[in-house]
Amino acid sequence: SQQGEEDPQALSIQEGENATMNCSYKTSINNLQWYRQNSGRGLVHLILIRSNEREKHSGRLRVTLDTSKKSSSLLITASRAADTASYFCATDAAAGNKLTFGGGTRVLVKP
Amino acid sequence: DTEVTQTPKHLVMGMTNKKSLKCEQHMGHRAMYWYKQKAKKPPELMFVYSYEKLSINESVPSRFSPECPNSSLLNLHLHALQPEDSALYLCASSQDPVGTQETQYFGPGTRLLVL
Repeated sequence: SQQGEEDPQALSIQEGENATMNCSYKTSINNLQWYRQNSGRGLVHLILIRSNEREKHSGRLRVTLDTSKKSSSLLITASRAADTASYFCATDAAAGNKLTFGGGTRVLVKP
Repeated sequence: DTEVTQTPKHLVMGMTNKKSLKCEQHMGHRAMYWYKQKAKKPPELMFVYSYEKLSINESVPSRFSPECPNSSLLNLHLHALQPEDSALYLCASSQDPVGTQETQYFGPGTRLLVL
């Protein structure tokens, strides 16, 4: 079953604009991760935020985590056509590295 | 080497065939995973191997049979599959099977079509 729900399901923006997507989850977590998947290919890890962290940056990516609301957001600033992909949040609720993925947000960045 | 490789890239098989998917990593990771992903859906965990032993089976039908011959290799044996088993099969690995906060490294997947 899906731990996370992502919003929106799809997002279309112009190059240079920011893209924001949200993830909500149901149970307590150890950490939350974001992955990117280009069409029909494997997933690439973007960023991991621990349950005791509130915000994290990596290049043009900014992730926030609100454990009281059981939600996270991923912001991609100054988007590029190469950012076109599906983005998934994934939660790790227990030891043993069992990740549960959200439904994903499909992002289209138009040149 | 931070790469997980999967072969074949594409596979077409009939419902009576037996085939195998192969996954390999040389990062010294001791946890390896099989996921199934249908179109426009998130990956769904199938199996987890920790230190070459099966630690999680997510109630996967027995027509899927995983095998971990050594710490670098992971196989998924397929037999008597159904058309609904057509999907992208992803392999992943991570460093520590019992730790938390572990990044998983994914292979490019095998696109399987069952006729």
